[in-house]
Amino acid sequence: DAGVIQSPRHEVTEMGQEVTLRCKPISGHDYLFWYRQTMMRGLELLIYFNNNVPIDDSGMPEDRFSAKMPNASFSTLKIQPSEPRDSAVYFCASSPLGGTGSYNEQFFGPGTRLTVL
Amino acid sequence: AQSVTQLGSHVSVSEGALVLLRCNYSSSVPPYLFWYVQYPNQGLQLLLKYTSAATLVNGIIGFEAEFKKSETSFHLTKPSAHMSDAAEYFCAVSGSGNTPLVFGKGTRLSVIA
Repeated sequence: DAGVIQSPRHEVTEMGQEVTLRCKPISGHDYLFWYRQTMMRGLELLIYFNNNVPIDDSGMPEDRFSAKMPNASFSTLKIQPSEPRDSAVYFCASSPLGGTGSYNEQFFGPGTRLTVL
Repeated sequence: AQSVTQLGSHVSVSEGALVLLRCNYSSSVPPYLFWYVQYPNQGLQLLLKYTSAATLVNGIIGFEAEFKKSETSFHLTKPSAHMSDAAEYFCAVSGSGNTPLVFGKGTRLSVIA
């Protein structure tokens, strides 16, 4: 398997523009997570899905952020309009479904480095 | 609620010296604990995980960590540092199953020749 795939790897845009980040999870994984990494706040969860359904989006910073998972093999994170403070590395991770009391490893993609000018 | 505190944002060691990266956790449920490594401009790679089996956990590339419930700690060690160990290290906690990870702020490890 190719692992979690994210695109683009780097994105530079101007303030006010729409940005769409993409993620392809590992085939067969039931969970998908979006994390953001900044110098100030470190790594923090934005949203996660189970079987394409959003479970917890409390980490999404504001209405400018939206995430979708139209099918088991694709998810998007959209920022509209983008602002300079959105500059960060955005990671996607996926994990398989585990049994009761077990833990299943999250596999991370390489991340998308977003710069908003 | 769960949280992780990593003591020291930057640790510097000499090549061949002991590596010790500190992590303390807070959790209202039995925790699952992890150490991830991030090399420059790359994603996160799992080094090791504690999932309530053995308290001493062996990971990849010579790292290990010990879960100490009484101290709420999960410190990461490696007996002898290599130049290639220079990276950012993150401690993380999770409740169970497929719940999201809560990360510490990270510790940047520098290895001096």
